[in-house]
Amino acid sequence: SYELTQPPSVSVSPGQTARITCSGDALPKQYAYWYQQKPGQAPVLVIYKDSERPSGIPERFSGSSSGTTVTLTISGVQAEDEADYYCQSADSSGLVVFGGGTKLTVL
Amino acid sequence: EVQLVESGGGLVQPGRSLRLSCTASGFTFGDYAMSWVRQAPGKGLEWVGFIRSKAYGGTTEYAASVKGRFTISRDDSKSIAYLQMNSLKTEDTAVYYCTRLGEGPYFDYWGQGTLVTVSS
Repeated sequence: SYELTQPPSVSVSPGQTARITCSGDALPKQYAYWYQQKPGQAPVLVIYKDSERPSGIPERFSGSSSGTTVTLTISGVQAEDEADYYCQSADSSGLVVFGGGTKLTVL
Repeated sequence: EVQLVESGGGLVQPGRSLRLSCTASGFTFGDYAMSWVRQAPGKGLEWVGFIRSKAYGGTTEYAASVKGRFTISRDDSKSIAYLQMNSLKTEDTAVYYCTRLGEGPYFDYWGQGTLVTVSS
């Protein structure tokens, strides 16, 4: 079955830039989406169609794509950005796949 | 304001059934596909399945882990989506989120989730 691979954890100091990657063979053909989930809360969409930002999401969140890897970049990380981040895409049949999630720690 | 409210979760024995409901408001329910996503305790997100809008046939798709046991349906007149779960297993224990599906597919709005615990 199709898989999306994320690093389990990323650590960054406040004000620095965090980059979370997601790799998958179908990513050159399928859009990627990113969700932020804070403890005890439902996930929130932060990036759609590789690099689009929903209304209400801060400009410091951005997304990019290169080949089989997509990247969520958080510029000027703030303490409130500490959360789990999940990438999501679709397989060749259009069925949904999630990455395993990345825990972002703000030191 | 888009709102999705799940209900119906609880404790159920292995092998039994449970039906979850998702009551939607703040948008034209019938125009959108709806989906369920679950999260086992301390684990990541897992897509369960989705139902297309009537305009796209109202057809369904499921993850392999639940196919044949779970059924998603919708009542557009009431703005409710359902998840019928049969032959439940302990590994189905999770918070179940109702989501609205954007074109992609992706999940643009999420409910707060309802906990389903499968245990004897």
